[in-house]
Amino acid sequence: GQNIDQPTEMTATEGAIVQINCTYQTSGFNGLFWYQQHAGEAPTFLSYNVLDGLEEKGRFSSFLSRSKGYSYLLLKELQMKDSASYLCAVRDTEGSTLGRLYFGRGTQLTVWP
Amino acid sequence: DVKVTQSSRYLVKRTGEKVFLECVQDMDHENMFWYRQDPGLGLRLIYFSYDVKMKEKGDIPEGYSVSREKKERFSLILESASTNQTSMYLCASSLRFQGNQPQHFGDGTRLSIL
Repeated sequence: GQNIDQPTEMTATEGAIVQINCTYQTSGFNGLFWYQQHAGEAPTFLSYNVLDGLEEKGRFSSFLSRSKGYSYLLLKELQMKDSASYLCAVRDTEGSTLGRLYFGRGTQLTVWP
Repeated sequence: DVKVTQSSRYLVKRTGEKVFLECVQDMDHENMFWYRQDPGLGLRLIYFSYDVKMKEKGDIPEGYSVSREKKERFSLILESASTNQTSMYLCASSLRFQGNQPQHFGDGTRLSIL
């Protein structure tokens, strides 16, 4: 089966740095996505990794190690608006399942002033 | 700009009713998906489609069906609604050959079955 694990909740203070981890065990791998979802809203795309290493995009960075089945999302200079759920998703290999995503249950991040 | 539109943000129906949830995308995407999202369970895939009139079961298809008569529209049907189908339903779309392109989500329909 497919297994995507991430912590349920995290808290941090404004201005700090937080790292949200994601481990996965899937039968196929064709990329890992991070989404942000504010309460009552749609998930929005944050980052994509398919090769090992770090991808940086402003205050957000995402890292991937395929050999370890591990990724993290790093949020710097935290702001109150970063309080949201962060979803890790692994894309299956193209083919019969056309690259469907397997989602973790999400990490609820609360940023305190 | 990318746009996935779900017909209703909030919907209240009664047990036993047939319920239709509609999703339209304007990006000419081949792939479309229906998820439900429940607290503590995350996003679970109900059905997906990679072409007009094509459909594939996801992880929790029981009690649901889908229709894709046109490329831009993907409908989710609850054949006989039950209270355990009260949930947030999210539609998404993506390109067939995706590369680094993500799935794009609609705003969701919060469905309550009484």
